[in-house]
Amino acid sequence: QVQLVESGGGLVKPGRSLRLSCAASGFTFSDYYMSWIRQAPGKGLEWVSYITSSGSTMYYADSVKGRFTISRDNAKNSLYLQMNSLRAEDTAVYYCARGRGYSYGPLGYWGQGTLVTVSS
Amino acid sequence: QSALTQPASVSGSPGQSITISCTGTSSDVGGYDYVHWYQQHPGKAPKLIIYDVRHRPSGVSNRFSGSKSGNTASLTISGLQAEDEADYYCSSYTRSSTWVFGGGTKLTV
Repeated sequence: QVQLVESGGGLVKPGRSLRLSCAASGFTFSDYYMSWIRQAPGKGLEWVSYITSSGSTMYYADSVKGRFTISRDNAKNSLYLQMNSLRAEDTAVYYCARGRGYSYGPLGYWGQGTLVTVSS
Repeated sequence: QSALTQPASVSGSPGQSITISCTGTSSDVGGYDYVHWYQQHPGKAPKLIIYDVRHRPSGVSNRFSGSKSGNTASLTISGLQAEDEADYYCSSYTRSSTWVFGGGTKLTV
């Protein structure tokens, strides 16, 4: 069955960096677009970024553009989110999710999330 | 990338029907039939319940249905059950090839 397991979250000071990982299994990882979505405590979902199946193209929300970088390693069935210049407002649970083989496909599978807390 | 507009909360009694609206613009909801709905129970990951405006993934109850008119999409839940109590989010593909979510609606049964 499809499994997505995020890791790498934790407590980090403002201005520092953190790298999240998402280990995928149960499907052909290289066939699917992958996304990161976050949810601040007590708030709604916010789309963060997605990457094409080949890893050649990435899109970002304005709120993270220039600070976050999404990437993937299809040989390792893994998705990453490099987060630099972190701010308090980046505090959230970060979910990785599987799309389809095209950009407008729905997010049919989600991981359980990893909590990132940005605080001094 | 402004969030889509959803009512903050809706409520209904068991057996009744409710509808949650999701209003965007011609650059997102109105421009594409790529509106999806997610259900999220407390402490859990979101679950896809409607995709491409009106289609249900395998295993999702036919009590859930979706529609769209102009810049507004809607999710209808018929025959409300206690287990339907959750947060519901719409999302839409946008002209910028990005995604936008609604602010979420808390359903109380």
